Amino acid sequence: SQQGEEDPQALSIQEGENATMNCSYKTSINNLQWYRQNSGRGLVHLILIRSNEREKHSGRLRVTLDTSKKSSSLLITASRAADTASYFCATLGSSNYKLTFGKGTLLTVNP
Amino acid sequence: GAGVSQTPSNKVTEKGKYVELRCDPISGHTALYWYRQSLGQGPEFLIYFQGTGAADDSGLPNDRFFAVRPEGSVSTLKIQRTERGDSAVYLCASSLTRGGYNEQFFGPGTRLTVL
Repeated sequence: SQQGEEDPQALSIQEGENATMNCSYKTSINNLQWYRQNSGRGLVHLILIRSNEREKHSGRLRVTLDTSKKSSSLLITASRAADTASYFCATLGSSNYKLTFGKGTLLTVNP
Repeated sequence: GAGVSQTPSNKVTEKGKYVELRCDPISGHTALYWYRQSLGQGPEFLIYFQGTGAADDSGLPNDRFFAVRPEGSVSTLKIQRTERGDSAVYLCASSLTRGGYNEQFFGPGTRLTVL
């Protein structure tokens, strides 16, 4: 079953703009991870944020985590056409190995 | 080094047939995972191996699905008597070991189509 829900389901922006995607989840987590997927195939790990962290940066990516609201956001700054992909949040719970993914946000960056 | 590889990349079969999907994890990774992704959905966990043993197969949808990893490296996901509802992309991932901070590296997936 899906743990999280991404919002919005689809997002279309112009190159250079910022893109923000949100993720909500239901149960307690060990950490939360964001993945990118191109053309419905291989998943690429972007960033991991631990349950005791509130914000993390990696290049043009900024992730926040609010465990009290069971939500996370992914911000991509200065977007590029190459950022066009589906973005998924995935939570790691007490099992410490099983990732539970949301349904994803389809991001389209128009040149 | 090489990433996770999966073969075949695409598999088309007829309802009722048997299929095998193969996963080659990153060398040295002891943990291996199978996920299934239906159209428009995120991946869903199927099974987790630590070494040769299936530590958690709770995600396998029914007893038509079975997976092995006999030597602790390559894994094969086997589906008997395929049904149209089995059509999906099957993703394999591996990590150095179990644990939340061990990144799971995903393969490109096998797209299974059951006619």
